[in-house]
Amino acid sequence: DVKVTQSSRYLVKRTGEKVFLECVQDMDHENMFWYRQDPGLGLRLIYFSYDVKMKEKGDIPEGYSVSREKKERFSLILESASTNQTSMYLCASSLGAGGYGYTFGSGTRLTVV
Amino acid sequence: DQQVKQNSPSLSVQEGRISILNCDYTNSMFDYFLWYKKYPAEGPTFLISISSIKDKNEDGRFTVFLNKSAKHLSLHIVPSQPGDSAVYFCAASGGGNQFYFGTGTSLTVIP
Repeated sequence: DVKVTQSSRYLVKRTGEKVFLECVQDMDHENMFWYRQDPGLGLRLIYFSYDVKMKEKGDIPEGYSVSREKKERFSLILESASTNQTSMYLCASSLGAGGYGYTFGSGTRLTVV
Repeated sequence: DQQVKQNSPSLSVQEGRISILNCDYTNSMFDYFLWYKKYPAEGPTFLISISSIKDKNEDGRFTVFLNKSAKHLSLHIVPSQPGDSAVYFCAASGGGNQFYFGTGTSLTVIP
């Protein structure tokens, strides 16, 4: 089974801190994604990557950046955390284009105080 | 603009009855659809899929129906069980790398 591992289940950070969320997948998937989930808003795509060192903006990239130096690892960076970035962050991976579904990690609940 | 919509934020059903969760989409290029189930504090897990060449796909208690002309899909759960209580997301893809998700429907199955 594909496994997508997010390094932290819960994080509490202070406003203005630089925050790193790490995601690792173990099945050689090309595509990796970062979503945030908020009540009433569903899953919103922040960034995705379809290859090493490649990245594409999703629907809500403002305040975030990403890094994909290795195929298995996709990092989400909050450059200067703000309270409106308090959310559940979900990482996902998929094999490729053409209807392959996502495998999600367990999520990171980030609270910015 | 939301390309995939789940207009019912919540649904309550008695145990043993049918649960019907609905999803509408706007992009006629979407040709592959998924349903995910999500428990609190966990990531979504894949439940069932359907491609546009079919109008129905069944897996145990779960059946997904696709009406391409209406751009509508639905998930039927029969019989509903308390363990089915979760948030359900539908997702759609046009064959590219990205799936578009609905806002989710929170299902509560009452014992």
